[in-house]
Amino acid sequence: QSALTQPPSASGSPGQSVTISCTGTSSDVGGYNYVSWYQQHPGKAPKLMIYEVSKRPSGVPDRFSGSKSGNTASLTVSGLQAEDEADYYCSSYAGSNNLFGTGTKVTVL
Amino acid sequence: QVQLVESGGGVVQPGRSLRLSCAASGFIFTTYGMHWVRQTPGKGLEWVAVIWYDGSYKYYVDSVKGRFTISRDNSKNTLYLQMNSLRAEDTAVYYCARGVMTLDYWGQGTLVTVSS
Repeated sequence: QSALTQPPSASGSPGQSVTISCTGTSSDVGGYNYVSWYQQHPGKAPKLMIYEVSKRPSGVPDRFSGSKSGNTASLTVSGLQAEDEADYYCSSYAGSNNLFGTGTKVTVL
Repeated sequence: QVQLVESGGGVVQPGRSLRLSCAASGFIFTTYGMHWVRQTPGKGLEWVAVIWYDGSYKYYVDSVKGRFTISRDNSKNTLYLQMNSLRAEDTAVYYCARGVMTLDYWGQGTLVTVSS
């Protein structure tokens, strides 16, 4: 039940793109197409941004996209905006439990 | 609209117990699995437990096995987390969330502080 590995931080200027990685194992990220990404602003609850690797819930801008290759999933935020500055967490179903990533703080320069 | 409202948090001494509740509305509660997830102040998210829609299956993170119990009352649209033998490291904001493979809606959380 180890946490998924994410880089602690990522940054980009407005309009640029940033990609966050999420590395697990064949027992979680690599074994299921149930990777989700959550955005969390300070003092707020996490918000679902991507589910089942690459699907966007209604209302989430198409600037947010997800992908997966082997045991590593990725979230890309294109056309960065000031309101995208937040913490981002990946999550994967792992059979009988769910795992979260270590979290990445995205800064908009 | 989907609403999840946690309650029951507070300050408790090590070794004591606390029960959290999560009142659900805006969806058919009896058809969804539910989770508890916690977040230590300033730190990341940690999955705690999940319960199937009918309560038939329950799974826990190793660090709470034997101390925490997840349950639900489908007649009251309410999820619970009974926390016994609390430790300082259980201090966190506890969120309830809807779903099984994907946690699509979250409550605002309730703070549990374990301190003497």
